Amino acid sequence: EADIYQTPRYLVIGTGKKITLECSQTMGHDKMYWYQQDPGMELHLIHYSYGVNSTEKGDLSSESTVSRIRTEHFPLTLESARPSHTSQYLCASSDRNYGYTFGSGTRLTVV
Amino acid sequence: GIQVEQSPPDLILQEGANSTLRCNFSDSVNNLQWFHQNPWGQLINLFYIPSGTKQNGRLSATTVATERYSLLYISSSQTTDSGVYFCAVAIGMRFGAGTRLTVKP
Repeated sequence: EADIYQTPRYLVIGTGKKITLECSQTMGHDKMYWYQQDPGMELHLIHYSYGVNSTEKGDLSSESTVSRIRTEHFPLTLESARPSHTSQYLCASSDRNYGYTFGSGTRLTVV
Repeated sequence: GIQVEQSPPDLILQEGANSTLRCNFSDSVNNLQWFHQNPWGQLINLFYIPSGTKQNGRLSATTVATERYSLLYISSSQTTDSGVYFCAVAIGMRFGAGTRLTVKP
């Protein structure tokens, strides 16, 4: 079944650590996105990609990086985690006919 | 950039009641979606509706692109309908701030 997968589902990590949040999709979508969201609040676009080797910054990108080496894979890296990074991170991919599909999210806690 | 406004911000209903959620946007769009975020944080796609009307069970949606708004109708609401409903439009996939719906038994 075509879907979009995020790992880990939950992560607790110490300040200053480098972390990578994984996102993979099996739908062959060219466009992929990362959003940050505090519970029940607005979603903020962090990064997006329109295809392999294409990455663009969103509204909250200054403290993270992404890569798009393969169509199906779009990992997000925080070089040095801080308590202000505590949030939920949502990955999505899109298709022009059916719109956007979201993963289940990664809930990150930085202590 | 494009602005997306949702109303009302909060809505409390008794089980069985009907409701209408509204999404206004500031510019022409060719992609609009409604999502339901459940208590576990999962965003569920309800409708992909850049224009026209669609129905799925107790839910239906209408987008009038020329007038820059979309409506989500929930009929005979159930407690499982509780959560946050987001409207999202294309061009950077901008989300509204959401409508927080609570359905009481």
